[in-house]
Formats: sequence, structure tokens, C-alpha cells
Amino acid sequence: DAGVTQSPTHLIKTRGQQVTLRCSPKSGHDTVSWYQQALGQGPQFIFQYYEEEERQRGNFPDRFSGHQFPNYSSELNVNALLLGDSALYLCASRKLTGAINYGYTFGSGTRLTVV
Amino acid sequence: RKEVEQDPGPFNVPEGATVAFNCTYSNSASQSFFWYRQDCRKEPKLLMSVYSSGNEDGRFTAQLNRASQYISLLIRDSKLSDSATYLCVVNSGSTNAGKSTFGDGTTLTVKP
Repeated sequence: DAGVTQSPTHLIKTRGQQVTLRCSPKSGHDTVSWYQQALGQGPQFIFQYYEEEERQRGNFPDRFSGHQFPNYSSELNVNALLLGDSALYLCASRKLTGAINYGYTFGSGTRLTVV
Repeated sequence: RKEVEQDPGPFNVPEGATVAFNCTYSNSASQSFFWYRQDCRKEPKLLMSVYSSGNEDGRFTAQLNRASQYISLLIRDSKLSDSATYLCVVNSGSTNAGKSTFGDGTTLTVKP
């Protein structure tokens, strides 16, 4: 049973460029959240997608946008990249429907470096 | 003030020691709570959920104090393999929805 898969694993971009990161949730999961993790910090919540809509959003600028597809996979787009966007981007999935929150399963992340 | 706060440590303990981590949260409407473990340059992995009645999984015990808005993790008989960063996670909103907010983690090093 495949867990959460993310691509690419590593990426180097230049300031001002745009980037798209991809995520396939664990089988049976229907919601995807994206997190940004800088060195020495905990993951910071970017947004959550469910039923192809953004349901929750953290304190990130509009340069960060996303999408969820009918098969529950998701993309994170970042426009006008800044040096400060360099981080590990984590995708996490769980099953939202149902009464109990069993917690997220994380992918291994995409390490983005902006130069 | 951060929504979820943890003592960053590091905690350096010998094998076999008992160690406890605390985490405080600011949103009194928070509904579900978790501890995750993150190894160096790896993704976070769910360690255990935290229930109001407290719960135990082998050498690990988690407690929740809603009145004081903190959760704790106790590790008994520490092993070298317990060395990692432990992340406290609080889910706000309804039990099932809402966003999960992470603390910055507490680093544990278990030494021989």
C-alpha cells in the first residue's frame, strides 16, 4: 500500500521563477494539507484541500496556491519565488470523512532551494 | 505568542532514563491532539494520538490537560533509537476538520 508520494524530491529554482510541487495521497485518504518546514522549525500549515476546494489556509501570501484533483491528488504552486521560500515542503493526507481524526500521514517532502 | 509551544531542548539522556516533554496550546477550542516523531531530514511520523483520559503505547504515555491547555509525552526506559525530534500537534476546529498546527519540536538525544 503506497503511502503519500511527492515529486520531485529536490528542486533548485531561481528567484522570481514559479514552481509546482505534486502530491498523491495515501490510498483511502480524501484530504491533503501542505506544510512548509524551514530548518530547525516545525512544519507551518499552508493550506488544506478537500473535495477539490481550499478549506483552510495558514498565514501564507497569495503567491502560494494549490489545487486538488478528482482523484484526490494535489499540487502546490508558488509564484515569484523568494530566497526565503527555500524549505522542505511536506504534503500530508488523511481521511476527513468519518467521526475520528486519526492524524496525518506525511510524504517524504520536496526540498526546494531558491538561489 | 505561538499557537503551540514546546521546549526546544535539547534533552540529552542516558539509555534507560525516563524523559518527559510538555507542550502548551493557546486555542481552547482545540479538539484533537497528537505527538509526531521526526528523524533528521525525514518526514514527521505519527507516534500517538492523545486522549483526555490519557493513553499508553508500550514505553510511551501521553496525557492531555484541557483545563491548563497542555499535553505531555513520557518516554520510559529510553533507547538509542528514541533519538529524534518530537513534535506536538494540535487540531483546531471540529474534531474531524480544522487545521493541524505543529510546535517547533523538542529534540531528544539518548546516549549509551
